Amino acid sequence: GNSVTQMEGPVTLSEEAFLTINCTYTATGYPSLFWYVQYPGEGLQLLLKATKADDKGSNKGFEATYRKETTSFHLEKGSVQVSDSAVYFCAFQRPNDYKLSFGAGTTVTVRA
Amino acid sequence: NAGVTQTPKFRVLKTGQSMTLLCAQDMNHEYMYWYRQDPGMGLRLIHYSVGEGTTAKGEVPDGYNVSRLKKQNFLLGLESAAPSQTSVYFCASSPLVAPLHFGNGTRLTVT
Repeated sequence: GNSVTQMEGPVTLSEEAFLTINCTYTATGYPSLFWYVQYPGEGLQLLLKATKADDKGSNKGFEATYRKETTSFHLEKGSVQVSDSAVYFCAFQRPNDYKLSFGAGTTVTVRA
Repeated sequence: NAGVTQTPKFRVLKTGQSMTLLCAQDMNHEYMYWYRQDPGMGLRLIHYSVGEGTTAKGEVPDGYNVSRLKKQNFLLGLESAAPSQTSVYFCASSPLVAPLHFGNGTRLTVT
């Protein structure tokens, strides 16, 4: 069936370290892919998205590239800050559907 | 801009009690959703609505009911709360195409 699997956490990093969170999907057709971020005590916010193969989404120094050949949408940031501490969710939207399916979330803690 | 507002923010229920969670959005979005968030399971869709007067079941609808009498409001009801319904509940809305806009959540504990 259709699903998304993301790297388990928690992940703890030092400031200025490189962050990667893996996300792979299983879906028929060409879904749209998203990364959402949840800061402590808040709801989820859209971080970035990609709607077709080879698209690169980027925002706030984060990037993710839609890789059809590996069915992946890994999130990366070259130099994290303490303010990036949050839970990150990978999500996908099937073609011709409006609902989102979410991964389990990855908790990231950045230490000064 | 208020966006998506959920009330209450916190609630504690005893098993068997009932309650209603209210979600209100001021963005004139057609679609509204209720999700629950549990550790290690991400967000799971409970019910959703594609317009005023319509509702549909999501992945985990059992034990919940919803109503969308007005376009801006989406209510989630628990008729007889169970400990398994202890969770954080998120409401979201969207225009015809994503992205979803989320509220800040309601933390519900059922004892």
